Amino acid sequence: DQQVKQNSPSLSVQEGRISILNCDYTNSMFDYFLWYKKYPAEGPTFLISISSIKDKNEDGRFTVFLNKSAKHLSLHIVPSQPGDSAVYFCAASARNYGQNFVFGPGTRLSVLP
Amino acid sequence: DAMVIQNPRYQVTQFGKPVTLSCSQTLNHNVMYWYQQKSSQAPKLLFHYYDKDFNNEADTPDNFQSRRPNTSFCFLDIRSPGLGDAAMYLCATSGLGLLMNTEAFFGQGTRLTVV
Repeated sequence: DQQVKQNSPSLSVQEGRISILNCDYTNSMFDYFLWYKKYPAEGPTFLISISSIKDKNEDGRFTVFLNKSAKHLSLHIVPSQPGDSAVYFCAASARNYGQNFVFGPGTRLSVLP
Repeated sequence: DAMVIQNPRYQVTQFGKPVTLSCSQTLNHNVMYWYQQKSSQAPKLLFHYYDKDFNNEADTPDNFQSRRPNTSFCFLDIRSPGLGDAAMYLCATSGLGLLMNTEAFFGQGTRLTVV
């Protein structure tokens, strides 16, 4: 039973355009959401996060949007760069749900020059 | 500077031969996690330590054990590796407090091959 879903296994975007990666969750106890980036043969690297009390958080080219009523979040990368090509994992946690981070299966982003 | 260090990066072990993966951290974080990630799948939590308290996920096989002798080190022991245990094993840490959210920091992972 997947609590965090990323329904697009892959996404291709032209360099300079916007990349939008989507994530859905089912557990309403989640109150903190994170995006990680992973290159082959390396561990995930933290990218950006958002608390459930917010609906938007921005850091440079990366913006995360949270829609609590729809249990949906998205990561926007603009402008996309070839170095952004990686697998992006959505993760969720809850202060009252132990200390666990629950991950989605990831979306492979390819930014084409 | 590496903050979560996993050794070795690549490990080949024989079917049924016990193997230990190690993780160390310089962040002084109170929580350490072990995740298993198979190809194209989500990292799956095996267990975690909150300080010295061990928390096992309900579906983690008994074949997987862990030790945390001190704050800095955590080990994953696979008592009798099977072919299905071949995966990337990820160690992570988090400096969680009671009323705060924070991110997890990951090591580079150990790629385990079972032959």
